[in-house]
Amino acid sequence: SQKIEQNSEALNIQEGKTATLTCNYTNYSPAYLQWYRQDPGRGPVFLLLIRENEKEKRKERLKVTFDTTLKQSLFHITASQPADSATYLCALANDYKLSFGAGTTVTVRA
Amino acid sequence: NAGVTQTPKFQVLKTGQSMTLQCAQDMNHEYMSWYRQDPGMGLRLIHYSVGAGITDQGEVPNGYNVSRSTTEDFPLRLLSAAPSQTSVYFCASTAGLAGVHEQYFGPGTRLTVT
Repeated sequence: SQKIEQNSEALNIQEGKTATLTCNYTNYSPAYLQWYRQDPGRGPVFLLLIRENEKEKRKERLKVTFDTTLKQSLFHITASQPADSATYLCALANDYKLSFGAGTTVTVRA
Repeated sequence: NAGVTQTPKFQVLKTGQSMTLQCAQDMNHEYMSWYRQDPGMGLRLIHYSVGAGITDQGEVPNGYNVSRSTTEDFPLRLLSAAPSQTSVYFCASTAGLAGVHEQYFGPGTRLTVT
């Protein structure tokens, strides 16, 4: 069966450090992978999209990698700030629909 | 430009009642979708539409109906509410096909069925 697994544990990091989140998938062959941020009580907000033929994508302090051989995406937040505290969701494009992981909650301590 | 709007924000229903969750977008997006989000689970696709007059089922369609008579609106109907439908519901729209383009989400409707 198809599965999308993100870090099962919440991530607590010190301000200024790099947070690294993992998204692993099985029985998918996504052409696109997306990352969203979700704050409590709000809808998800799009952050980045990466295509299967792209190894890496950057946007400001965010970096995403996509390894179709390992079936894994890594999401990095560099120089993290307390304002980065949120839940981060990965989503795979599958047959023109998006399938989401359960998310990883990140807390950045000042 | 309001983006994606949803009403109501909160709703409490009794088992067996029906209701419609409203969703509207003002970005002229063809693709719209409904998700539910439960604790510890990812967003799960209920129904989606690739344009006015066209709808299709997602991963968890049972107990829900949709229609798409205009580009702007995509209401979700609960036919006979059950406690298992207690959840947070999100509507989303995208300029092209989902996955290829970013999705814009509404603020959500928190539904409790007693």
